[in-house]
Amino acid sequence: QVQLQQSGSGLVKPSQTLSLTCAISGDSVASNSAAWNWIRQSPSRGLEWLGRTYYRSKWYNEYAVSVKSRITSNPDTSKNQVSLQLNSVTPEDTAVYYCARAKGAGGYYGMDVWGQGTTVTVSS
Amino acid sequence: DIVLTQSPGSLSLSPGERATLSCRASQSVTSSYLAWYQQKPGQAPRLLIFGASGRATGIPDRFSGSGSGTDFTLTISRLEPEDSAVYYCQQHGNLPFTFGPGTKVDIK
Repeated sequence: QVQLQQSGSGLVKPSQTLSLTCAISGDSVASNSAAWNWIRQSPSRGLEWLGRTYYRSKWYNEYAVSVKSRITSNPDTSKNQVSLQLNSVTPEDTAVYYCARAKGAGGYYGMDVWGQGTTVTVSS
Repeated sequence: DIVLTQSPGSLSLSPGERATLSCRASQSVTSSYLAWYQQKPGQAPRLLIFGASGRATGIPDRFSGSGSGTDFTLTISRLEPEDSAVYYCQQHGNLPFTFGPGTKVDIK
């Protein structure tokens, strides 16, 4: 059974960096048939896809334009996890953050496993 | 970006009734890369439907999806009390992946 366990800071000061980790069990971060996505949810923005990391003979990262200049998603094969960093945060980045697995070519089979979510508040 | 519009915004139905939820895309969704999710308060979204009509593992057959191009439908054939939730559509064929605003289903 695949499980995603999220960890990271729930309170971040404005202009600082949000850091989250998604630990994977039951699958491999380097799977050739999975992609690891980051999604956030807030009352004002709804569900917003932020980016994904996947391995297809080499590593790929794809990010939403809205956060592209501030986001990094990195795999860690030694710990079988993926991490998210979002720089220069503002109160607009306050949201529940999720990691989620998507299976199949291009994620055709949808995001079938989700982390438990991390509530991140940006406030001084 | 592909904008997804969902209707109705909310609906209230009785157990045993049929719910029909609509998702319309601002442009054609690539190869029917359209998914539906159910979300209950305090929980992560749960995948119901992928590829517009494929049922995810463990999803009861009262949930069905249909459609192509720009118009998609999620049907819950016989509502049960546990179906009370918000339902989201998502397209994942074009970057950036986008979600609809959701339809809230209330069971009377």
